[in-house]
Amino acid sequence: DTEVTQTPKHLVMGMTNKKSLKCEQHMGHRAMYWYKQKAKKPPELMFVYSYEKLSINESVPSRFSPECPNSSLLNLHLHALQPEDSALYLCASSQEEGTNSPLHFGNGTRLTVT
Amino acid sequence: DAKTTQPNSMESNEEEPVHLPCNHSTISGTDYIHWYRQLPSQGPEYVIHGLTSNVNNRMASLAIAEDRKSSTLILHRATLRDAAVYYCILGTNAGKSTFGDGTTLTVKP
Repeated sequence: DTEVTQTPKHLVMGMTNKKSLKCEQHMGHRAMYWYKQKAKKPPELMFVYSYEKLSINESVPSRFSPECPNSSLLNLHLHALQPEDSALYLCASSQEEGTNSPLHFGNGTRLTVT
Repeated sequence: DAKTTQPNSMESNEEEPVHLPCNHSTISGTDYIHWYRQLPSQGPEYVIHGLTSNVNNRMASLAIAEDRKSSTLILHRATLRDAAVYYCILGTNAGKSTFGDGTTLTVKP
């Protein structure tokens, strides 16, 4: 079990669908992150939120839309994805951005785009 | 981001110590050295981090070279549950640092 909960665990969606990935933490962390991980590759940073504001967007295509409705929740809205977007999407949190506090990862959502 | 170099894979026998090396010759003075591991079908897990001095915690030890251009993660007694991909990353904020390809550790019974 991790302290960062991601739902759903698995998701299959068509290229015309709209879906959302959810991430929740109750550790009082003020920095939250989305990563994308392809098979047998390291995680790649997509977005960073700090105090509920978008801090970093690593040039991610607009078909991925992050949202941080409050300090405990992080969403990733998906629309018009491509098959190459199939990957494991990982959420993480840390006490604050810009510090060396450890990252806490969820176990990810495995996304398949058909 | 400063780059790290790790061996692609390593093997260990169960209950023996494991030394996982990481080279980071371009490390800056403010970069922390972070280690994470990723077990199969799970998200990465924090292991340990340090700046200059060697560090110990319940999971592992981190030995940092005096010139900080390399470090070694030490698992004192490997178990089958330690089989994972181990990532060494640098930065003042691990969340914004780039993960390298890591070392796949296989533990043999």
